Order: sequence, then C-alpha cells, then structure tokens
Amino acid sequence: GAVVSQHPSRVICKSGTSVKIECRSLDFQATTMFWYRQFPKQSLMLMATSNEGSKATYEQGVEKDKFLINHASLTLSTLTVTSAHPEDSSFYICSAKIEYGYTFGSGTRLTVV
Amino acid sequence: KQEVTQIPAALSVPEGENLVLNCSFTDSAIYNLQWFRQDPGKGLTSLLLIQSSQREQTSGRLNASLDKSSGRSTLYIAASQPGDSATYLCAVRNNQGGKLIFGQGTELSVKP
Repeated sequence: GAVVSQHPSRVICKSGTSVKIECRSLDFQATTMFWYRQFPKQSLMLMATSNEGSKATYEQGVEKDKFLINHASLTLSTLTVTSAHPEDSSFYICSAKIEYGYTFGSGTRLTVV
Repeated sequence: KQEVTQIPAALSVPEGENLVLNCSFTDSAIYNLQWFRQDPGKGLTSLLLIQSSQREQTSGRLNASLDKSSGRSTLYIAASQPGDSATYLCAVRNNQGGKLIFGQGTELSVKP
C-alpha cells in the first residue's frame, strides 16, 4: 500500500521550454506532498512542501516562479520547471507523508539540452 | 539546525560479510529516524523506521538501532549479498509535522 506513482521517469527538453512532472498517490489520499531535488552523489534537498488546495511552501533559495507546484487534488501533485536551463538538470523526487513515515516516487531524471 | 552525517561515504565488501552503516545527527530531540535504500536512478525505498521512544527495529537481515542521547543510529546488515548494493540514506524528522532531513548517504557495493 501507500504507493506514489511518478511520471515521467526520464525527460529531455530543450533550454527555454517547460517540463511538468506528475506524482499520483494510487491507494491513499496525499494531503501533503514534498518535492526534492538530488544532484549526482549527493543527498536529497527539499525544494517545497505542498498541501492540497493551498499554495506550496518553498525552501529558502528555491525560486517559486521557476518551480511551480500544484496540488489541486488529494491524489495529484505536479511540479513544473519553467523556462528550463541546463543547470536545472537533476533528479527530482516527490514524497507523500503517510501515517508513520513517508513514501517516495520513483524519481524523474530531467536533462536540459 | 539539525544536521545529519553518514559515515562512510562508500563501502565495498565481499559477499557474506556483516556490515554496519553509521548515521549521526546534531540535535537529539528527534521525532523519528528512517533508513532508506536508493538504487541508481531510482526513488527511495523505506527500510526501517524507528520512533524516538524505540531503541531498535529489525526486518529480516536488517537491524537499525537508535541512541538519541548520543545522536547516533546504525544500520546493521547481516550476511550481505550482491543485491544489497545500493545507496543507503538515513533521515530524521524533528517533530510530527516536520520535514525529513537527510544524510549524504553511504554507497554500498557487495562483491560476489
């Protein structure tokens, strides 16, 4: 139980375009979703926390206008990387809070060329 | 500010060995601590979660201990197998509604 499905797993986009990443909770309602970024050989860095029906809370240093987060329903949260640049290339992972811990999506490898 | 450190950063062992991964945190007032496994290019799989009132948790060949007063946790893997090769991350939560704070991870390689 408590599965989060994340899509796409890999995406390559051109510099200046936008990319949307989706995370769906399949068998539970995710009132809170977390979005992380992970650089190679490094740990996860929390970017933002989203609660269903309200605006996301961004961590210090994360550009709100660049990383748009929408959590319009209890089963779907999306992260849109707007006007992507090569430095946005990274591994993005979503996570949902569950009763006694957290469950994670499988991640999205974004490459901006 | 809570900081989580994992030692070693990388570890290579022959198959069959028992091994210990270490995690330390600077603020002992944690809510819980969780160990995760991450395979290359994949998301995280939860291995064990220890509440602040607990001292250890076991699942199969894995045993995680928690010593809040010293700010330490260990993940013990018995009879390691090549399939155990992955990056192991520990993360702490400071309060019930708080976010997870991750260590840098230990990259484990088990050689056949």
